[in-house]
Amino acid sequence: KAGVTQTPRYLIKTRGQQVTLSCSPISGHRSVSWYQQTPGQGLQFLFEYFSETQRNKGNFPGRFSGRQFSNSRSEMNVSTLELGDSALYLCASSQGLVISYEQYFGPGTRLTVT
Amino acid sequence: AQSVTQPDIHITVSEGASLELRCNYSYGATPYLFWYVQSPGQGLQLLLKYFSGDTLVQGIKGFEAEFKRSQSSFNLRKPSVHWSDAAEYFCAVVETGTASKLTFGTGTRLQVTL
Repeated sequence: KAGVTQTPRYLIKTRGQQVTLSCSPISGHRSVSWYQQTPGQGLQFLFEYFSETQRNKGNFPGRFSGRQFSNSRSEMNVSTLELGDSALYLCASSQGLVISYEQYFGPGTRLTVT
Repeated sequence: AQSVTQPDIHITVSEGASLELRCNYSYGATPYLFWYVQSPGQGLQLLLKYFSGDTLVQGIKGFEAEFKRSQSSFNLRKPSVHWSDAAEYFCAVVETGTASKLTFGTGTRLQVTL
């Protein structure tokens, strides 16, 4: 069974631009969560989608948004990029709630904002 | 809100030596606790989890963790470390009322000397 796929793996953007990251979950998984990982703030929860609905949201500004499609693939978008958005963005998928099902992480997308 | 604290930023052990990574949680009731490992350039992999019941939890790769309510701790242990265990280890807790939103500790980087 293929794992969680994230594209692209690396991305360089300029301040003020916007970016879209993609996540393809493991087949059959309906829940997709996104995390931001930085050296300063560590791992922070962005949001979780289940069956195309946002179920949980972290404490990030509105510039960070996401969506999930009917095939469970998910995208996250960051508008008006800031230098501080440089991070590793991790996507994780599971069959359902984390307290009931294991969450599998992708390798991440490394975003660099210059 | 719940939180987890990992007091050790960096730990170095010799191959074959025992390992204990510390994690303290702040939550009144029994929390949902996890340990994840992240190898360089990789996403996170679940090592083990504790929800209730037996306070000694066995995980993958020979790891175990013990939940101690009196000390608000969930320390990760391994009797004999292998060089391939060098990685970053994260303790995490599920935020109450969400069942899926993980709050991570700051991580402990493990270095293994030969």
